[in-house]
Amino acid sequence: DGGITQSPKYLFRKEGQNVTLSCEQNLNHDAMYWYRQDPGQGLRLIYYSQIVNDFQKGDIAEGYSVSREKKESFPLTVTSAQKNPTAFYLCASSISLWASYEQYFGPGTRLTVT
Amino acid sequence: AQSVTQPDIHITVSEGASLELRCNYSYGATPYLFWYVQSPGQGLQLLLKYFSGDTLVQGIKGFEAEFKRSQSSFNLRKPSVHWSDAAEYFCAVGTTSGTYKYIFGTGTRLKVLA
Repeated sequence: DGGITQSPKYLFRKEGQNVTLSCEQNLNHDAMYWYRQDPGQGLRLIYYSQIVNDFQKGDIAEGYSVSREKKESFPLTVTSAQKNPTAFYLCASSISLWASYEQYFGPGTRLTVT
Repeated sequence: AQSVTQPDIHITVSEGASLELRCNYSYGATPYLFWYVQSPGQGLQLLLKYFSGDTLVQGIKGFEAEFKRSQSSFNLRKPSVHWSDAAEYFCAVGTTSGTYKYIFGTGTRLKVLA
């Protein structure tokens, strides 16, 4: 079955540590996205990538970094510079970056930093 | 600037009752419009989408939505709600003026009473 996998589902880290969230898709989609979800704030775009080796900052990119070395993979690193990293993180993909295409979502990773 | 508003944070309905979730957008032209559903701790799933043509669109799970240009609205409806419909619902708007933009509303949490 085609889809998006995110691992792990739950992640716990100490403050000051960097942490990398995994996102893999086998839908052969060109575009991939990372969102952060906090209660009452909907989804906020962190980074997006239109194609391999290319990515753009979204609305809340500070304290995060990404890479897109393979079409299937778009890992997100939450750095120690992110002031409030505890949140639910969602990865998504679409056929292309054109806004008419629906986005397919992974199951999410809940990150807790103490 | 483009925006999406979901005025109702929480809605409670009885099983078997009808449902309408509101979504209003702000954009100079007709955007691409989407409704997604999210079960607790999960990713989002597309319910339906509107690009052009017939303003009443049918989606999965018995949902439909109507685009009203004069009201800048894209409300989601279901004639008879089932207990399994309890979830959070997000309206999203995709635009293509200038840079890529895909905006999610803040969501409406639906509770269904048995």
